Amino acid sequence: KQEVTQIPAALSVPEGENLVLNCSFTDSAIYNLQWFRQDPGKGLTSLLLIQSSQREQTSGRLNASLDKSSGRSTLYIAASQPGDSATYLCAVRTGANSKLTFGKGITLSVRP
Amino acid sequence: DAGVIQSPRHEVTEMGQEVTLRCKPISGHDYLFWYRQTMMRGLELLIYFNNNVPIDDSGMPEDRFSAKMPNASFSTLKIQPSEPRDSAVYFCASSFGTGGSEKLFFGSGTQLSVL
Repeated sequence: KQEVTQIPAALSVPEGENLVLNCSFTDSAIYNLQWFRQDPGKGLTSLLLIQSSQREQTSGRLNASLDKSSGRSTLYIAASQPGDSATYLCAVRTGANSKLTFGKGITLSVRP
Repeated sequence: DAGVIQSPRHEVTEMGQEVTLRCKPISGHDYLFWYRQTMMRGLELLIYFNNNVPIDDSGMPEDRFSAKMPNASFSTLKIQPSEPRDSAVYFCASSFGTGGSEKLFFGSGTQLSVL
């Protein structure tokens, strides 16, 4: 059974800092991995999707990397801003028709 | 498009009462998912539909939970009778197509409190 872990559960950083959010998964035979953002009282918004054959994906100040062999993914946020404050969840799919398995998320607070 | 629309946003009910949560997916999407989110267990898939047909309901916790999708633009999740441990945020999400790389669009959720 695939398990996804995100540690720490919460993180507070000053504005402008570059930061890395970690995600680990137990079964390295994944189909793809996604990073989502969740704002308080809102649903999830997909940020980046990395296919199993890819090493990384970039969107603006966000960069997600994938290392299947070690069962890890990182979300790198450059020059963090208060507007980046949210909960970031990673989710793994083990097959094209399998369900997404989510981590519990990391709640990020960027202090002005 | 208005996105995935869920109602109500908040529901407070007493133990033993019937609760019905509603979802309108994005027009044209052929997959609909119901998730539950709690602090303890995170986000869990309850059931999903493809073209209005339930495909996998293995995440539905008990017979007290049921879901329907009578047409492409409407789905309900019903809990009868409700219990305090059902308190959670329930999300509906929709997507188009299959292949595993389709983007999921989430509604804003229903915060359910069972007293």
